[in-house]
Amino acid sequence: NAGVTQTPKFRVLKTGQSMTLLCAQDMNHEYMYWYRQDPGMGLRLIHYSVGEGTTAKGEVPDGYNVSRLKKQNFLLGLESAAPSQTSVYFCASSTGQGIQPQHFGDGTRLSIL
Amino acid sequence: AQKITQTQPGMFVQEKEAVTLDCTYDTSDPSYGLFWYKQPSSGEMIFLIYQGSYDQQNATEGRYSLNFQKARKSANLVISASQLGDSAMYFCAMREVGSRKLSFGAGTTVTVRA
Repeated sequence: NAGVTQTPKFRVLKTGQSMTLLCAQDMNHEYMYWYRQDPGMGLRLIHYSVGEGTTAKGEVPDGYNVSRLKKQNFLLGLESAAPSQTSVYFCASSTGQGIQPQHFGDGTRLSIL
Repeated sequence: AQKITQTQPGMFVQEKEAVTLDCTYDTSDPSYGLFWYKQPSSGEMIFLIYQGSYDQQNATEGRYSLNFQKARKSANLVISASQLGDSAMYFCAMREVGSRKLSFGAGTTVTVRA
C-alpha cells in the first residue's frame, strides 16, 4: 500500500545549495501537486501537473522548478535554497476525473540554514 | 480573499463525546468540492471525507459526518464518539471545478481528553 511516496523525509541545506525532492505515486493518477506547509497555515500550492510532460504554476511558485517526465513521478527542485524555503513539503496526487480527493505523501521536512 | 475560514484554532473534547469543527467557505463557482483532512502529530495528511456541491445528502464516513449548509456556505465536520487517536490538526479544504488547487483553511487542533 505505497500510495504516494516522498523522498527524502528530512533534509538540512545551506543557503545557496540546490536539491531535488522526489514524489512517486503508484495509483496511476493523472494529476500531481506540490504544496508547502508553514506554521499556523494550511497548505499552499507551489506547482502542479495534469499529466506526463506538463507542469503549471500554483500560488507560490517562485524559487522552485518542477518536472514530470514520467506519469508516476513529480520532482520539485530548489536551485538556490533560501531560508524562506524552510518548510514542510507535501506531494499529492489525484485522478483527473471530476473533483476527487487528493492523496498526500508523508511530507518532507526541509530546513535551510 | 480567504476562501476557507476555520475560526477555532484549538478545541478540547472529552473521550466518547462528539465534537463539531467549523468551516465556512467563499466561492462564486456553483460546482465545487469540500474536503476534510486530518494531520496527526506524525505529520501525514489523511483524507477523511468529501462533499460535492450538488450532493443532496450530507456525507458520512464512519464516525465522521459533514454538516453541509450550502446557503450559509458552511461545511462543518462532526466527529462522533471521540477517541484519543482523534487528537490531531484538522483542515477544511475546497476545490472549485475550474481550479486545480485545493484551498486550505488554517486548521483546528483537536485534543481528546481521557
